[in-house]
Amino acid sequence: GAVVSQHPSWVICKSGTSVKIECRSLDFQATTMFWYRQFPKQSLMLMATSNEGSKATYEQGVEKDKFLINHASLTLSTLTVTSAHPEDSSFYICSLSRVWEQFFGPGTRLTVL
Amino acid sequence: GIQVEQSPPDLILQEGANSTLRCNFSDSVNNLQWFHQNPWGQLINLFYIPSGTKQNGRLSATTVATERYSLLYISSSQTTDSGVYFCAVEDQGAQKLVFGQGTRLTINP
Repeated sequence: GAVVSQHPSWVICKSGTSVKIECRSLDFQATTMFWYRQFPKQSLMLMATSNEGSKATYEQGVEKDKFLINHASLTLSTLTVTSAHPEDSSFYICSLSRVWEQFFGPGTRLTVL
Repeated sequence: GIQVEQSPPDLILQEGANSTLRCNFSDSVNNLQWFHQNPWGQLINLFYIPSGTKQNGRLSATTVATERYSLLYISSSQTTDSGVYFCAVEDQGAQKLVFGQGTRLTINP
């Protein structure tokens, strides 16, 4: 399967600051990556689809101006949570498709104080 | 959109027991995957199984696409099998995965 890394693994920030999360494909060139969010004891919810060289596609209810996605290369997608608030505290996970399967990164735990 | 339901929501077993987890979905799918989320949050791919039966060690899975369900079997459970098991499906024509609510499995020694 594909190897996906995320950085940082966890981050604590103050309310109102911005946080950038990186998702890297280590062994595969991915034209499409996905960003999910998971609240405690809940399932994963797709936030957006990140397309290399073009704008991301956001799911209904996800604010594109708050969650900025940049897919600048075939191996890197970034998610920036702008002006973070405590309700943005969550587990953010990226994934990519290889052939027919999706493979997931280890996730980033964001805590906003 | 497509709906995915998993059952049971919680399952507590003794080490050595067998278990069956179920995933129902509301429409035809191109892709169905089973994942195990470990205590650190990492999703581990178990099976890609849009139809048919597959086996990998103590785990096996069967998807009956015409009846819109999939089953995950775990035999001779070990404590390391504990965690949340997710079923996820892909809408026909879309690339994104829709996840069920998961089954939380606890294996006691």
